[in-house]
Amino acid sequence: SQQGEEDPQALSIQEGENATMNCSYKTSINNLQWYRQNSGRGLVHLILIRSNEREKHSGRLRVTLDTSKKSSSLLITASRAADTASYFCATGSDSWGKLQFGAGTQVVVTP
Amino acid sequence: EAQVTQNPRYLITVTGKKLTVTCSQNMNHEYMSWYRQDPGLGLRQIYYSMNVEVTDKGDVPEGYKVSRKEKRNFPLILESPSPNQTSLYFCASSFLGAGSPLHFGNGTRLTVT
Repeated sequence: SQQGEEDPQALSIQEGENATMNCSYKTSINNLQWYRQNSGRGLVHLILIRSNEREKHSGRLRVTLDTSKKSSSLLITASRAADTASYFCATGSDSWGKLQFGAGTQVVVTP
Repeated sequence: EAQVTQNPRYLITVTGKKLTVTCSQNMNHEYMSWYRQDPGLGLRQIYYSMNVEVTDKGDVPEGYKVSRKEKRNFPLILESPSPNQTSLYFCASSFLGAGSPLHFGNGTRLTVT
């Protein structure tokens, strides 16, 4: 069964706008990761946030984690056409072996 | 260049004909894992390996086998493929388990007729 569920399923914005997507999960986690996938190719790691962290930044990306609500959000600021992709959250209940992915949010950024 | 290499990229086969999808990484990673991706379902973990000769089931292991005889290689074996195993398969590796960033291969698109 999937641990994480992304919301919305799809998002269409214009260049320069911000894009926000959310991930909710069901059981306690050790870490939560966000990945990007372009057109059926391999996923690319964006950010990893651990359960004792609340916020992380990487360039135009900002990730928050609220363990009390079992949710995370990914914000992409000043979107570009190149940000068009599917975005997945993945949760690990420990740092060992299992990492479960959600179904993803498909983001389209139009020039 | 650091990478995870999967082969083949595309594979069409018939029901029951054994096949192997290879995966190799050149980063000396301890952890390797296989996922399948189906529309609307995201990625589901098939098997993972924490080190040589150490493998464990993910969420959807039925119909698949793996082995980890060398650190760099983690082949996925379908001994008797069925049409419901038609999917996009990804191999991934990381330095230290599911608590560190995964590096993904470019995928293998398998069709079983």
